[in-house]
Amino acid sequence: DQQVKQNSPSLSVQEGRISILNCDYTNSMFDYFLWYKKYPAEGPTFLISISSIKDKNEDGRFTVFLNKSAKHLSLHIVPSQPGDSAVYFCAAMPSGTYKYIFGTGTRLKVLA
Amino acid sequence: NAGVTQTPKFRVLKTGQSMTLLCAQDMNHEYMYWYRQDPGMGLRLIHYSVGEGTTAKGEVPDGYNVSRLKKQNFLLGLESAAPSQTSVYFCASSQDRSQPQHFGDGTRLSIL
Repeated sequence: DQQVKQNSPSLSVQEGRISILNCDYTNSMFDYFLWYKKYPAEGPTFLISISSIKDKNEDGRFTVFLNKSAKHLSLHIVPSQPGDSAVYFCAAMPSGTYKYIFGTGTRLKVLA
Repeated sequence: NAGVTQTPKFRVLKTGQSMTLLCAQDMNHEYMYWYRQDPGMGLRLIHYSVGEGTTAKGEVPDGYNVSRLKKQNFLLGLESAAPSQTSVYFCASSQDRSQPQHFGDGTRLSIL
């Protein structure tokens, strides 16, 4: 049973436009969410996080939105750049645990 | 600034052989994690540790053992390798549960 789902395996966006990556979850006990970016042959690198007490967090070109009623998380990248081309994973941690549960990833391709 | 270092980067084993993957972090982090990444499956937690001398099972622990004798090191052992353990293995560390995890660059393991 996949508790964290990224239903779009891939996404292509034109350079300069907005990229929106989505993540759905089933467990209402998740209290912390993160997005990671992964390039080939490298480990995932942390991008941005959000606590369940917030609904938005911004860091430069990256914004994460949390809709708790819909159990939905999204990452917005504006403007998108070719260097943003990578696989993006969302992850969620249930309250009271030490374990993140990862989604299956979305491959973003930003076209120049 | 090394961060999280995984050794080795690549390895090919025969079924039934044993080996140990080493993870070392220089950030004085308390928490350490071992994941495996398989196509279409995202990152799945094998074992984790919340401090020196402690270990706990993750989502897919069968066939693996771990040890955390020193705070900076987290070892993952395969006692009798099986083809189903062919994967890319990632180690990660974090200071506490709500802090982002820092990942190594992975160990690509093939079992024939």
